[in-house]
Amino acid sequence: EVQLVESGGGLVQPGRSLRLSCTASGFTFGDYAMSWVRQAPGKGLEWVGFIRSKAYGGTTEYAASVKGRFTISRDDSKSIAYLQMNSLKTEDTAVYYCTRDHCSGGSCYSFDYWGQGTLVTVSS
Amino acid sequence: QSALTQPASVSGSPGQSITISCTGTSSDVGGYNYVSWYQQHPGKAPKLMIYDVSKRPSGVSNRFSGSKSGNTASLTISGLQAEDEADYYCSSYTSSSTFVVFGGGTKLTVL
Repeated sequence: EVQLVESGGGLVQPGRSLRLSCTASGFTFGDYAMSWVRQAPGKGLEWVGFIRSKAYGGTTEYAASVKGRFTISRDDSKSIAYLQMNSLKTEDTAVYYCTRDHCSGGSCYSFDYWGQGTLVTVSS
Repeated sequence: QSALTQPASVSGSPGQSITISCTGTSSDVGGYNYVSWYQQHPGKAPKLMIYDVSKRPSGVSNRFSGSKSGNTASLTISGLQAEDEADYYCSSYTSSSTFVVFGGGTKLTVL
């Protein structure tokens, strides 16, 4: 059974940093691109970014709203994806979901498995 | 403002069919067959219902179908059931630097 479990959320002050982790199980983690999607309270979904599989270079792409502040990485030996968030702003407050791309490799731009989400609150 | 436009709400009675639209541009919905639809119940993570415009993941009911015409994609749910009441989001690949854009979401009410 595919499972994605996020951790690392919490309350953080504006301007500070936070790192989220996504621990995967039930599939060959290294074969898939992984994305992060967020949802502000009472709002819709927003794609944050993704990291391709190593076979496709392990490269990353980001939404304009987080580019230069957020970094996605992966440790295939541990089946963990990370979201490093720096220079956090109040508008980054959201539930952050880790997702798996539905096809193995680069990205198919759709997400077939989602974690339960972890809440990040940016406030002074 | 979301990159893709969806109606805020739709409703239907049990057994009926409803369609949710998702309008974009030639840079996203109209230019690529990477349209997906997600169902989200309150307090839950989204669930993939349709990908690549019209394909259903394993385990998704065939009451759910997707299509596209020009810059507008559509999700049709036939034989509405109470459990279909949820928020629905479309998404698409976009040739802009954003890569993936979502619609604002549509709340489906089963009367």
